[in-house]
Amino acid sequence: EAQVTQNPRYLITVTGKKLTVTCSQNMNHEYMSWYRQDPGLGLRQIYYSMNVEVTDKGDVPEGYKVSRKEKRNFPLILESPSPNQTSLYFCASRLAGGTGELFFGEGSRLTVL
Amino acid sequence: QKEVEQNSGPLSVPEGAIASLNCTYSDRGSQSFFWYRQYSGKSPELIMFIYSNGDKEDGRFTAQLNKASQYVSLLIRDSQPSDSATYLCAVKNYGQNFVFGPGTRLSVLP
Repeated sequence: EAQVTQNPRYLITVTGKKLTVTCSQNMNHEYMSWYRQDPGLGLRQIYYSMNVEVTDKGDVPEGYKVSRKEKRNFPLILESPSPNQTSLYFCASRLAGGTGELFFGEGSRLTVL
Repeated sequence: QKEVEQNSGPLSVPEGAIASLNCTYSDRGSQSFFWYRQYSGKSPELIMFIYSNGDKEDGRFTAQLNKASQYVSLLIRDSQPSDSATYLCAVKNYGQNFVFGPGTRLSVLP
């Protein structure tokens, strides 16, 4: 089954404790992206990657890191989480061409105390 | 700043009526336009996409695009309670990135 898989789905952590949210897709998509969703603000892009070893900042990259060492994986790293990073996070992927439809993971709800 | 704007709602319509959702965008270089539906606590799922000016129909859904006015809309005919969700407008530009609007919450009343 074609899918984007995120882990963990739910996480409660404390300020300053490094964490990684993993994202993996099995559709051989070139493009992968991370979004955060907050009430009233919609989906805001954190980072994106057009292909392996190619990453770029989105609209709200502060406090986040990413890497793209393999085509299928695109982990989101919070080196020192803060309460303002409490949010619902979505990973998404798509082919570089075609319709450009974004396929989303199920989301990861992160709470930073 | 590239922006996509939508009325946040909630938009309430009776069952069987037509729901009209609107979206405006600021980047004239935008190439393609998407409507996603998102149920509470779930991930967005694609409803329709449109590239060219005019209307595009798919079942009960019609997307309308007017690039001169920088306006895209989604009509849902014969609205059902199961259509109650948040609808996200998304715009893809030449940079291959998506910009999402804040979403319109639709409530279809039985």
